[in-house]
Amino acid sequence: QQPVQSPQAVILREGEDAVINCSSSKALYSVHWYRQKHGEAPVFLMILLKGGEQKGHDKISASFNEKKQQSSLYLTASQLSYSGTYFCGTGANFGNEKLTFGTGTRLTIIP
Amino acid sequence: ETGVTQSPTHLIKTRGQQVTLRCSSQSGHNTVSWYQQALGQGPQFIFQYYREEENGRGNFPPRFSGLQFPNYSSELNVNALELDDSALYLCASMILGRVETDTDTQYFGPGTRLTVL
Repeated sequence: QQPVQSPQAVILREGEDAVINCSSSKALYSVHWYRQKHGEAPVFLMILLKGGEQKGHDKISASFNEKKQQSSLYLTASQLSYSGTYFCGTGANFGNEKLTFGTGTRLTIIP
Repeated sequence: ETGVTQSPTHLIKTRGQQVTLRCSSQSGHNTVSWYQQALGQGPQFIFQYYREEENGRGNFPPRFSGLQFPNYSSELNVNALELDDSALYLCASMILGRVETDTDTQYFGPGTRLTVL
């Protein structure tokens, strides 16, 4: 079953913060976050593994709550380049990266 | 730049025809997965190939088939095209069995936009 992302869409002004949530009904081994701009391929942002709760780089970070089968992506001081659709991809087994992608969250950053 | 390439970029076919899409993986990546992405949706897993053998399939009919070659290239073949097959087709390469570091994920190619009329 497809992970559910929330919100479906959000519009922010440059410099504001955003949180995107990903919730699965299945037990997870890994959560992969991607950003996709219109007409382009998904670009990898970060991966969180079972046992690893939070990580980040620059102004983008994420958390993974195994018990709740949820992950959240945090974008701080958003930039215009952050605009795009964000997908979480969930992996159920170690090394079995047949990712199941979420419903997507469209993020629009305005000046 | 992910090192994964796909061809062609765009393709228009008519219902009932057959199509072959191609992907060139990152050197050293032993696994390729194919995804179908309909407009406004997330990618949906079609199947995965590991060392030239199918290693799992999503909920797609047998008219979707694939091949993986020793030179890190692969193909997705679709027979008897239907209108609903219109989508962006993405291939993604990885090293299967290694999910331990920040970069052990799948890397996507730019995709092939297929339109079925």
